[in-house]
Amino acid sequence: EDKVVQSPLSLVVHEGDTVTLNCSYEVTNFRSLLWYKQEKKAPTFLFMLTSSGIEKKSGRLSSILDKKELFSILNITATQTGDSAVYLCAVSSVSNYKLTFGKGTLLTVNP
Amino acid sequence: DVKVTQSSRYLVKRTGEKVFLECVQDMDHENMFWYRQDPGLGLRLIYFSYDVKMKEKGDIPEGYSVSREKKERFSLILESASTNQTSMYLCASSPAGDTQYFGPGTRLTVL
Repeated sequence: EDKVVQSPLSLVVHEGDTVTLNCSYEVTNFRSLLWYKQEKKAPTFLFMLTSSGIEKKSGRLSSILDKKELFSILNITATQTGDSAVYLCAVSSVSNYKLTFGKGTLLTVNP
Repeated sequence: DVKVTQSSRYLVKRTGEKVFLECVQDMDHENMFWYRQDPGLGLRLIYFSYDVKMKEKGDIPEGYSVSREKKERFSLILESASTNQTSMYLCASSPAGDTQYFGPGTRLTVL
């Protein structure tokens, strides 16, 4: 059974801090790892990392994938209060279209 | 922009009622998914569909059924609602790749 574990479960920081969110996984025939941001409503897509793209960056957010050690990290630099959200990590396998999600990391950025 | 819409943001039903949750996507995506999200349990897959009239059970299909008569529409049906089905229900769609795009969610309360 595919499994995704995120840590920490929650995190409180001050504006301007840099944070690192962790995601470890076990999946048969790995295809991709995805990061989502969820505020009050639906998750919004951030990054997808695959064998051919193990590092992604968008503004203050970046993510890397370590396929050997089976984990990914999401970095957020110079955090802002608008970064407060639950960050979800998910993995997919080659064999089907399903995503397996972790339970998320609740990030709170205080002014 | 991908748009996934769900028929209701909030819904209150009584135990034993039949409940229909509708999801529509406008991007001609092949795959559609229904999840429920509960505190401490994360996102769990109920059913998914990779084509019209096709459906696959997810991780927690008990008590639910689905219907996909048209490519853009995927319905989740609770045949006889129970209090343990009180939850946030999220619909998602994806093209042949992995990135799933989520609707705004329906918060269902069963009394």
